[in-house]
Amino acid sequence: GAVVSQHPSWVICKSGTSVKIECRSLDFQATTMFWYRQFPKQSLMLMATSNEGSKATYEQGVEKDKFLINHASLTLSTLTVTSAHPEDSSFYICSARDRGAGARSNQPQHFGDGTRLSIL
Amino acid sequence: EDKVVQSPLSLVVHEGDTVTLNCSYEVTNFRSLLWYKQEKKAPTFLFMLTSSGIEKKSGRLSSILDKKELFSILNITATQTGDSAVYLCAVLRGSEKLVFGKGTKLTVNP
Repeated sequence: GAVVSQHPSWVICKSGTSVKIECRSLDFQATTMFWYRQFPKQSLMLMATSNEGSKATYEQGVEKDKFLINHASLTLSTLTVTSAHPEDSSFYICSARDRGAGARSNQPQHFGDGTRLSIL
Repeated sequence: EDKVVQSPLSLVVHEGDTVTLNCSYEVTNFRSLLWYKQEKKAPTFLFMLTSSGIEKKSGRLSSILDKKELFSILNITATQTGDSAVYLCAVLRGSEKLVFGKGTKLTVNP
């Protein structure tokens, strides 16, 4: 089945550091990937939709200059949390859908294992 | 505003019990409803439901969708401790965005 790999799985760093998280589709091509954030005991909240070869689409309230998204190839999207602060500490998860399944087909999104980000 | 509401938020049962998890939704441009199981890491896919009244089954898990009443249920029979997890309901909109509920935390005690 479709596999999505996310790296790193855990990051601890000082306030002010920028952190890059990678999301890769291992056995399929994904023109679209999604980035979510999950706070403790809360559900997943969509942050942005990453589009291969074009600009990401951000959800309301998500700062695009703070959360930089790059989707340079059909198998890789990156999320960079710039100048991270303690309030950015959260669980970040990406997902992707198999492009080969067709834009309107009902294939589920598959999730990476997530990145736990802790800012000191 | 799109809404996905799951109930109960938390459930504690004994091994062997049967549980029913509920999910109701109000979402524009509905395409499908999905159930995921989340343990310590990211959600793993269980079911995708698009049509009303057709039960999907996988082992001890089953799920059904009612598009008229805008809800779905996830059943787990003969629960095991390995079923302990947060079960997430999500609705896929036409834009391919997933709207998640808050989840039901299921604890199965031996």
